[in-house]
Amino acid sequence: KAGVTQTPRYLIKTRGQQVTLSCSPISGHRSVSWYQQTPGQGLQFLFEYFSETQRNKGNFPGRFSGRQFSNSRSEMNVSTLELGDSALYLCASSLEGRGTSETQYFGPGTRLLVL
Amino acid sequence: SQQGEEDPQALSIQEGENATMNCSYKTSINNLQWYRQNSGRGLVHLILIRSNEREKHSGRLRVTLDTSKKSSSLLITASRAADTASYFCATVPLSSNTGKLIFGQGTTLQVKP
Repeated sequence: KAGVTQTPRYLIKTRGQQVTLSCSPISGHRSVSWYQQTPGQGLQFLFEYFSETQRNKGNFPGRFSGRQFSNSRSEMNVSTLELGDSALYLCASSLEGRGTSETQYFGPGTRLLVL
Repeated sequence: SQQGEEDPQALSIQEGENATMNCSYKTSINNLQWYRQNSGRGLVHLILIRSNEREKHSGRLRVTLDTSKKSSSLLITASRAADTASYFCATVPLSSNTGKLIFGQGTTLQVKP
């Protein structure tokens, strides 16, 4: 089975622009979660999608949004980019998103640099 | 906000030695998981220990969980240079049954050949 894939792997944007990142989960996985990793704040949960619905949301401004398609692929969008949005964005998938028992599988991440 | 803290923040050992990393968390949990990350890449799941388990083994990895102290430790025995990476603990809060993980700050392990 192919693992979680994320595109693009690297991205350079300027302040004020917007960006869309894509995540394809492992085949059969219906839950997709997004995390932001920065040196200062570490790994922070952004949101989780299950069956095309946002099920959980972290403490991020409304500039961060996402969606999930019927094939479980997910995208996240960041509008009006700020320098502080520079980070590694990680996507993870699991079967049902049942945190009590399921392992989450992470993609390689998208490294975003905002200039 | 971060759920837990990891100790030490950085660890440097020689190949063949054991490495122990500790993780403390704040709220009651369903389970605790350990992940490895190589050089800012994706996270690799290592082991999951449930709140009703005290110890778990997987190859050279041994994880303990003390829910009364809200702490966990990860022991890597007979370390290899390839074990050089950052290690993170992540918890699933007791109140949650979704995919949200709360990560600690991580321990950076360097294994010298």
